[in-house]
Amino acid sequence: AQSVTQPDIHITVSEGASLELRCNYSYGATPYLFWYVQSPGQGLQLLLKYFSGDTLVQGIKGFEAEFKRSQSSFNLRKPSVHWSDAAEYFCAVGAPADKLSFGAGTTVTVRA
Amino acid sequence: ETGVTQTPRHLVMGMTNKKSLKCEQHLGHNAMYWYKQSAKKPLELMFVYNFKEQTENNSVPSRFSPECPNSSHLFLHLHTLQPEDSALYLCASSLAGPSYEQYFGPGTRLTVT
Repeated sequence: AQSVTQPDIHITVSEGASLELRCNYSYGATPYLFWYVQSPGQGLQLLLKYFSGDTLVQGIKGFEAEFKRSQSSFNLRKPSVHWSDAAEYFCAVGAPADKLSFGAGTTVTVRA
Repeated sequence: ETGVTQTPRHLVMGMTNKKSLKCEQHLGHNAMYWYKQSAKKPLELMFVYNFKEQTENNSVPSRFSPECPNSSHLFLHLHTLQPEDSALYLCASSLAGPSYEQYFGPGTRLTVT
């Protein structure tokens, strides 16, 4: 079965600074990879997904993620953070004929 | 209504009560899911329905009873809950198959007293 690790529980970043959230997965073949964001009191919203092809994936809200097979990673990045990006971010991995597995999440705090 | 809706948004119930959570999706999907989200823990998949048939029960206690009358509606019937069942319960939907992205509702915040 696949699994996901998000090594950073909490990240604080200044508004306008860049952001990178780490995600490592465990799966024997090429997985399906997702990043979701959850604002307080809300459900999860899909930011982007990777199934195959170009390893650099563009998503909504200015986010992008890069799939690196050699490192089993799918890190999320944003060049310039806005205060509204303060939220919890979840990486998820899926596989054919299997369910999604979510990481424990990374909480992002944005300081003015 | 658009997307995935859940009612109620907040629920407080005693351990002897019976209540139900409702989820409705307006996306034309054919798979629906219940997740439990507890503080600082990964999302826990509880149940999966594909085309109204339950395809996954992730060892969930019988005090949680799901019902999926059609592809647009999903219920979670609750009875004799424990305080540790207090959590955010999230409903999601997708096209059938794990490779498709799931769309989530806002969740029901459940408190068991």
